[in-house]
Amino acid sequence: AQSVSQHNHHVILSEAASLELGCNYSYGGTVNLFWYVQYPGQHLQLLLKYFSGDPLVKGIKGFEAEFIKSKFSFNLRKPSVQWSDTAEYFCAVFNDYKLSFGAGTTVTVRA
Amino acid sequence: DTEVTQTPKHLVMGMTNKKSLKCEQHMGHRAMYWYKQKAKKPPELMFVYSYEKLSINESVPSRFSPECPNSSLLNLHLHALQPEDSALYLCASSLSTTDLSYGYTFGSGTRLTVV
Repeated sequence: AQSVSQHNHHVILSEAASLELGCNYSYGGTVNLFWYVQYPGQHLQLLLKYFSGDPLVKGIKGFEAEFIKSKFSFNLRKPSVQWSDTAEYFCAVFNDYKLSFGAGTTVTVRA
Repeated sequence: DTEVTQTPKHLVMGMTNKKSLKCEQHMGHRAMYWYKQKAKKPPELMFVYSYEKLSINESVPSRFSPECPNSSLLNLHLHALQPEDSALYLCASSLSTTDLSYGYTFGSGTRLTVV
């Protein structure tokens, strides 16, 4: 079964800094990949998804992700973060009729 | 309506109690899910319902019993839980188990504490 791994457990950065979170998937076949965000005390929200086509995917709140098949990666990026981007970020893969999540990365943005 | 509503938001129960968690959506989604999330951990899938039938049980202990009375409702019945079952229980829905056009829509969860 496919899985995803997130290597950054906790990222701390200042406002206006650029953000990149790593996500690697385990299998080289067709993949359906997602990034979700969970703000403190709130529900999981879909940031963006990739099924096929243009490997550069743009999502909500200024986030984007790039699917690089040769690197088995689907990294999330944001050029300039705000304090309100403080949250837990989860990469996820859809496989065997279910969505499975990576371990998550806690992002703390300091004002 | 683009929400998944879960009730109650918080629940404290004893190990001998029986309680139920409720999840409701009115988006016409035909797939619904229960996930369990421990603190600082990712959500872990428990059950998948497709067109009101249980399609996936991720080897969940029988003290957790799901029920899908209709296409809009999903319940999780709890009985004889252990303290280690304390967690955030998330409900989600999608158009179907194969149509992920909009991903999964998640509810805010029920924070369960077993004492």
